Amino acid sequence: KQEVTQIPAALSVPEGENLVLNCSFTDSAIYNLQWFRQDPGKGLTSLLLIQSSQREQTSGRLNASLDKSSGRSTLYIAASQPGDSATYLCAVLGSNYQLIWGAGTKLIIKP
Amino acid sequence: DAGVTQSPTHLIKTRGQQVTLRCSPKSGHDTVSWYQQALGQGPQFIFQYYEEEERQRGNFPDRFSGHQFPNYSSELNVNALLLGDSALYLCASSFTGEVNYGYTFGSGTRLTVV
Repeated sequence: KQEVTQIPAALSVPEGENLVLNCSFTDSAIYNLQWFRQDPGKGLTSLLLIQSSQREQTSGRLNASLDKSSGRSTLYIAASQPGDSATYLCAVLGSNYQLIWGAGTKLIIKP
Repeated sequence: DAGVTQSPTHLIKTRGQQVTLRCSPKSGHDTVSWYQQALGQGPQFIFQYYEEEERQRGNFPDRFSGHQFPNYSSELNVNALLLGDSALYLCASSFTGEVNYGYTFGSGTRLTVV
């Protein structure tokens, strides 16, 4: 059974710092891995999607990596801004076409 | 190009009542999945509809049922509401032929059971 874990559960850093969020999964048989952002009480916004055959994806100040063999993904945020404050969730898509989710990392960027 | 649309945005119901939530998928998408997200947790998969049939189902009781219409829109029905059903309900759409292109999510329906 696929399990997804995100560490840390919460993170608070000063504005301008670079930071890394971690996501691990137990079953490497995945189609892809997605990183999402969720603002309080809101829905999910897709940030980056990495196919199982890819190693990384980049969008602006965001870079996501995938190491299937070790069951790990990282989301790197460069030059953090207060507007980056949100909960970040990762989800893996397995062969049963179900997204399995981590519980998220709550990120606070202090001005 | 409209994304995924969910209605209503907020809903308050009494225990024992029934509720229907609605979802219109992104243009070009034919598959709709429903998720329940309790406060402070990741979403949990409820079920997925494709070609008007339930294709996959998560670990949810039969009180949770759904439907997909010929225009690919979908409804989630919950009967005999419990306090524990209070959550954010998220709808996601995708195109079955391009599962690797990922899912697009709506803004969700916040259901409160009192």
